Amino acid sequence: GAGVSQSPSNKVTEKGKDVELRCDPISGHTALYWYRQRLGQGLEFLIYFQGNSAPDKSGLPSDRFSAERTGESVSTLTIQRTQQEDSAVYLCASSLGPTSGRSPYNEQFFGPGTRLTVL
Amino acid sequence: GDSVTQMEGPVTLSEEAFLTINCTYTATGYPSLFWYVQYPGEGLQLLLKATKADDKGSNKGFEATYRKETTSFHLEKGSVQVSDSAVYFCALTSPRTGNQFYFGTGTSLTVIP
Repeated sequence: GAGVSQSPSNKVTEKGKDVELRCDPISGHTALYWYRQRLGQGLEFLIYFQGNSAPDKSGLPSDRFSAERTGESVSTLTIQRTQQEDSAVYLCASSLGPTSGRSPYNEQFFGPGTRLTVL
Repeated sequence: GDSVTQMEGPVTLSEEAFLTINCTYTATGYPSLFWYVQYPGEGLQLLLKATKADDKGSNKGFEATYRKETTSFHLEKGSVQVSDSAVYFCALTSPRTGNQFYFGTGTSLTVIP
């Protein structure tokens, strides 16, 4: 079956422009996560959606970052007025979530990421 | 808060050498622990996991044991191959973190023939 997909795979933009990054999770996965991975660094948690609950936005670095998810489907991460320090790979992951019944801690499946370069 | 501290790299080993990548964690309660691997040009994928103390996760010749007394989850492999060259991430999650995952900074491994 299809895995997590992300688009675009690469995005080059100018400082100050807005960008939208898209994530299509695995069908049936109620949990969706966004991470940022700067060059040579680990994963930085950004935001977590679980079903219809209010998202955990505690990792968003500034109010220029926002994310939406419609139900248990596609999610969009928006970065407004991009800055050079926003340059990174943005990773999306989905999982069955904690209520699957099979395991309280389900495996996250990662997409290939979107490489964002802000000039 | 909960966190993971991972051995810094990069690590370079000869083929068939023994590998250890250290990972220690800080968490309240009883987290689940994971190792993810990122092969060159690919996305992260789960390598192994352990959900309670003394559990041993294993996959593809890699092993890690959940040690609550030392709050560690070190990754080991007895004989590495060139194809094991990748970046390895230790991670944890628990209900107390709202099922949020916390990842280490990653350890780059290069295995040379």
